[in-house]
Amino acid sequence: EVQLVQSGAEVKKPGESLKISCKGSGYSFTSYWIGWVRQMPGKGLEWMGIIYPGDSDTRYSPSFQGQVTISADKSISTAYLQWSSLKASDTAMYYCVRNRVEMNNYYFDYWGQGTLVTVSS
Amino acid sequence: SYELTQPPSVSVSPGQTARITCSGDALPKQYAYWYQQKPGQAPVLVIYKDSERPSGIPERFSGSSSGTTVTLTISGVQAEDEADYYCQSADSSGTFHVVFGGGTKLTVL
Repeated sequence: EVQLVQSGAEVKKPGESLKISCKGSGYSFTSYWIGWVRQMPGKGLEWMGIIYPGDSDTRYSPSFQGQVTISADKSISTAYLQWSSLKASDTAMYYCVRNRVEMNNYYFDYWGQGTLVTVSS
Repeated sequence: SYELTQPPSVSVSPGQTARITCSGDALPKQYAYWYQQKPGQAPVLVIYKDSERPSGIPERFSGSSSGTTVTLTISGVQAEDEADYYCQSADSSGTFHVVFGGGTKLTVL
């Protein structure tokens, strides 16, 4: 059974750093892209970026380029999303997703349970 | 930047048919995908490649495409189908430019 299990909720102050994780199981972790999707409170879904754990090829949405860093450790089948300096506007639920890529078509067939990040002074 | 447009809300009575549309200029060239999100839960893929249904998704969910518009149809709507529905696609530039529609709240009256 494919599973993406994310790390727990976080409460941080503006300016602090943060790294959240997503552990994949039940499939070949290095053979599928893993991505991150943001959902701000009461709002819709936003694609942030993806990484191919097999070779660490990483792509970002223009909206998130330079704002976050996506990485992966294939030895432990885990992907990460990190911030160096959080802002209040980073408050959101973050989902990791298994990203299927087929002939320039991209979609998400499995989702993690979400990690709620709250940034408040 | 590329956008997908959905109606903010759709309402139907139980047993009726709900249709949720999604419009985008690249949809004739790119597949569309649909996700269902119930309150407090992660989204779930309900339609892929315009009209394919993943295993485990009830047959009452179907998808279709015509020109720049794709449609998610839920036949014989049940109370449990009340949720937010998001379409998703990508622009046709060949880069990883994934886009979601704004979402449609389906209310079962």
